[in-house]
Amino acid sequence: AQSVTQLDSQVPVFEEAPVELRCNYSSSVSVYLFWYVQYPNQGLQLLLKYLSGSTLVKGINGFEAEFNKSQTSFHLRKPSVHISDTAEYFCAVSDRAGNQFYFGTGTSLTVIP
Amino acid sequence: DTAVSQTPKYLVTQMGNDKSIKCEQNLGHDTMYWYKQDSKKFLKIMFSYNNKELIINETVPNRFSPKSPDKAHLNLHINSLELGDSAVYFCASSQGGGACFFGPGTRLTVL
Repeated sequence: AQSVTQLDSQVPVFEEAPVELRCNYSSSVSVYLFWYVQYPNQGLQLLLKYLSGSTLVKGINGFEAEFNKSQTSFHLRKPSVHISDTAEYFCAVSDRAGNQFYFGTGTSLTVIP
Repeated sequence: DTAVSQTPKYLVTQMGNDKSIKCEQNLGHDTMYWYKQDSKKFLKIMFSYNNKELIINETVPNRFSPKSPDKAHLNLHINSLELGDSAVYFCASSQGGGACFFGPGTRLTVL
């Protein structure tokens, strides 16, 4: 079975500052990794995904994440945040068959003007 | 074109009632899911179906019964609703380990 840990439940950051949201996973098999964003009162939207290949993955809205197999991490980064980035961010892991999708507990990012 | 759709968007009902939430995906995906998101935003997988067959049934009360008439539909029926069932329920689908696509959610309020 897989599991995901998001260590930071809330991250406040000033506008135009960089941000990193942390995600660690555990799994006995090879996995795929994802980051999703949820804006208030909306569904989840895919930000980026790591399936294979380059460990640095670029997504929408200027976000990127780096897969680190030795540290079993998949941290999300953005060099300069905007007010509109205020949302809940979820890290997720799935097995390669795609039958099991597990989410972390989420990180609430608040961008302060 | 809506990829994953759910109905209804809002559901307000009394304790003890039975209700259903419908989900349809037009992405051609083989796997569909139901997730429950509580007031703390925690997303918990409830069920996973692959080609109409149940793959995952997490520790969910048997008052919750999923039904998949075909691989494009996964409905959720809930019997004897309780206060603790109040949450947002998301349907989702995926294909072969790719990304999971979510529906807009159904906000269930049990009074």
